Amino acid sequence: NAGVTQTPKFQVLKTGQSMTLQCAQDMNHEYMSWYRQDPGMGLRLIHYSVGAGITDQGEVPNGYNVSRSTTEDFPLRLLSAAPSQTSVYFCASRTQSSYNSPLHFGNGTRLTVT
Amino acid sequence: AQKVTQAQTEISVVEKEDVTLDCVYETRDTTYYLFWYKQPPSGELVFLIRRNSFDEQNEISGRYSWNFQKSTSSFNFTITASQVVDSAVYFCALRKGTTSGTYKYIFGTGTRLKVLA
Repeated sequence: NAGVTQTPKFQVLKTGQSMTLQCAQDMNHEYMSWYRQDPGMGLRLIHYSVGAGITDQGEVPNGYNVSRSTTEDFPLRLLSAAPSQTSVYFCASRTQSSYNSPLHFGNGTRLTVT
Repeated sequence: AQKVTQAQTEISVVEKEDVTLDCVYETRDTTYYLFWYKQPPSGELVFLIRRNSFDEQNEISGRYSWNFQKSTSSFNFTITASQVVDSAVYFCALRKGTTSGTYKYIFGTGTRLKVLA
């Protein structure tokens, strides 16, 4: 069972570079989301999606884009990386068929922007 | 406002001690869910438990127990006879509905538990 797979595990970018963090899940979950984890701030929601073709902003969406062309994939794009985007990024998914289903998390991507 | 407060930033205990991690939440929703997640040093986030707002029964799972009290808006987590493997960051989270009919999760800032041998 792969669950939620994030790639890469580590990434270093220079300010202004762009990149895409990949997230794929094989559980047929309708709901997918991206969080960033920063020291002392817990997990903050960046963007989320309730199904293919549907995305919405979370708490801290600025500087990030998402799209959801398939149920399985939910990539997070940084168009012009900034040092403030140095963080650990987690992708999470859940099924919408059960009212109380928990979020399933990937193993995270540690991003450093210099 | 909807928020989750984990006032304990870091707790250190000696192995075999009992320890309680506090979680206080705020929500205007009448129906909501609360969750606990564990993040061990390896970094992944592991689901531990969920509780809905209509079920105030305490729950015990092995050495873990949870005390949900709506009157004090708290959902505290107790580890009995702690072990070194319990060392992790523990997050409490609140799931709330949105105006578009979906859900968002609000996480606390986490409590780092260190269990010393």
